[in-house]
Parts: sequence; C-alpha cells; structure tokens
Amino acid sequence: AQTVTQSQPEMSVQEAETVTLSCTYDTSESNYYLFWYKQPPSRQMILVIRQEAYKQQNATENRFSVNFQKAAKSFSLKISDSQLGDTAMYFCAFRDTGTASKLTFGTGTRLQVTL
Amino acid sequence: EPEVTQTPSHQVTQMGQEVILRCVPISNHLYFYWYRQILGQKVEFLVSFYNNEISEKSEIFDDQFSVERPDGSNFTLKIRSTKLEDSAMYFCASAGTFSYNEQFFGPGTRLTVL
Repeated sequence: AQTVTQSQPEMSVQEAETVTLSCTYDTSESNYYLFWYKQPPSRQMILVIRQEAYKQQNATENRFSVNFQKAAKSFSLKISDSQLGDTAMYFCAFRDTGTASKLTFGTGTRLQVTL
Repeated sequence: EPEVTQTPSHQVTQMGQEVILRCVPISNHLYFYWYRQILGQKVEFLVSFYNNEISEKSEIFDDQFSVERPDGSNFTLKIRSTKLEDSAMYFCASAGTFSYNEQFFGPGTRLTVL
C-alpha cells in the first residue's frame, strides 16, 4: 500500500518570502501521479499543482513549483512570494494510474503567512 | 466553471440515526468518490464508484455505509446508524476521463453526531 508522509506539521513564513513544504511517499509503482492540495479555513480542497512521475521536468504553476526527486521518493512544494491568502493546510497526495484510483493523502502541513 | 456541489453544508444528527449526504458531481464525469476528514486529521478515502457499482472501498466503509447514484445527477452516501466517531467532514469528488483523471472536490458536508 502506498503511504504519504509530511514531516512538518506547521510552518510559518513572512509575506513575500519563499517557503518549501516537504513530502515523501512510498510506492512500488513506476508510474503515478502526485498532487498538492490546499485547504483554507473554509475546508474546501483546492488543487494547487500536480506531477506525473514519468515526467522528469518539475511542474510549475505561477508562484508554486515542485521539486520531484523520483529516486528519493520526494515531492516538495515551493511557494514563492508568499501571500496572506496562502495561509492554509497543505496536503500532499498520491494516486496510481488506474482510472478510478483513489487519492492517498499525507497528514498535512499548516502554513501561516505573516506580515 | 463546472463544480461539484454538496448538500447539506452541515448536518447534525443523533447517534443511531440514518443520514444521507448528497452530492452533485460535474455533469460529464464518470468516476465518483467519497472521502472523510475527522477534525484535525488527514483526508481519508472511503469509496469510489464507477458504472453504477463500487470500484474500491476502504476498511472504514463497513456495512453501515452505502452509496447510490439514484438518477443521472446525484451521488449519495448513506450512513445507516450513525456513531459519535462518524462526526467528520465528508467530501465528494468526481473525475472525468481526461486531465490526469483529476478529482474535483465539493465543499464538503460537516456531519456532527450527538
């Protein structure tokens, strides 16, 4: 079974600074998908960024980028130019390539952006 | 932009009562999911549903849970006899056959069992 580990329960960053959230996972699959979801206080789950394991290039979405290290099974999220609206819980998630496959989530990192 | 909707947003019930949580997935999606999140914990998979049958279910999804797609638009989760530990946020998600089968989440239903 796949597992996802987020070792940072809480992090804090000042506005306009850069922060990196860590995620590691365990799988025997060679191809899969990885995701970062944001959960603001409203508790809505919002997809931030995704990465396909067979793509070596790291995904980027505006201020959000990932550092995907397949051999190390590491998938970190970098948030540049942090904004107050980035304050949220961030969940790393894994999914295999089956069409109906479930998401397996990590325990989350609570990010606080301060002035 | 299409979105997944869920009703009610908050449901309060007495222990032992039956509850039905409702979801309207995105209209052309074929895969449907329920997840739950106990307060302060991670999001956990409950069940996936495709072609009018369960594709996969977790250990949490025991005999007191059931899912149904009663018509072409709704997707429901029924808890037959609620327990205190069923108190959680329940998220519905749906996915199409493109775009990495990305799962789109609804806003959730907060279930409180007293």
